[in-house]
Amino acid sequence: QQQVKQSPQSLIVQKGGIPIINCAYENTAFDYFPWYQQFPGKGPALLIAIRPDVSEKKEGRFTISFNKSAKQFSLHIMDSQPGDSATYFCAATGGGGSNYKLTFGKGTLLTVNP
Amino acid sequence: NAGVTQTPKFQVLKTGQSMTLQCAQDMNHEYMSWYRQDPGMGLRLIHYSVGAGITDQGEVPNGYNVSRSTTEDFPLRLLSAAPSQTSVYFCASSLQGNYGYTFGSGTRLTVV
Repeated sequence: QQQVKQSPQSLIVQKGGIPIINCAYENTAFDYFPWYQQFPGKGPALLIAIRPDVSEKKEGRFTISFNKSAKQFSLHIMDSQPGDSATYFCAATGGGGSNYKLTFGKGTLLTVNP
Repeated sequence: NAGVTQTPKFQVLKTGQSMTLQCAQDMNHEYMSWYRQDPGMGLRLIHYSVGAGITDQGEVPNGYNVSRSTTEDFPLRLLSAAPSQTSVYFCASSLQGNYGYTFGSGTRLTVV
């Protein structure tokens, strides 16, 4: 049972484009939705996170949009750069006694061409 | 401040051998977890701990054991390695469960 579904699997954009990565979740008890960025050979690093009491959060060029009724959230990267090329994972956690178990999407490999 | 340190970085095991993957954090985090990462599968939770002396199973616990005798250390033991355990293993820690986790740099394990 995959509780967090992520799409697309891969994405190629030109420099300056706005890649969008989408995630959908099933468990309505989730209350924390982080995004992780992973470069080859490295561990995932927390990029940005949102809680369901807000519909949007921005940090620099990265924006999370959150739609609680649709149980969906997405990552937008403004003015994308070749250095943003990485694998991006959405995740979710929460639900009373399970607020320490992150459930990950399967990842999106982003390539930003110069 | 080293963060989360995993050793070794690479390991090759023969089927049936046992080994321990080490994980240590110096941030006084209560929550620690082990994940495995396989192509196209994302990261799957193996075991987790919410404090010293407290551990529990995640999504894919079979073939692995953990213990948490101190806040800092959370080793993962492979009891009898199998080729299906070939993967990249990540340890992560967090101050609170529903806050960001800090990941180590991973251990790439190959079982032949």
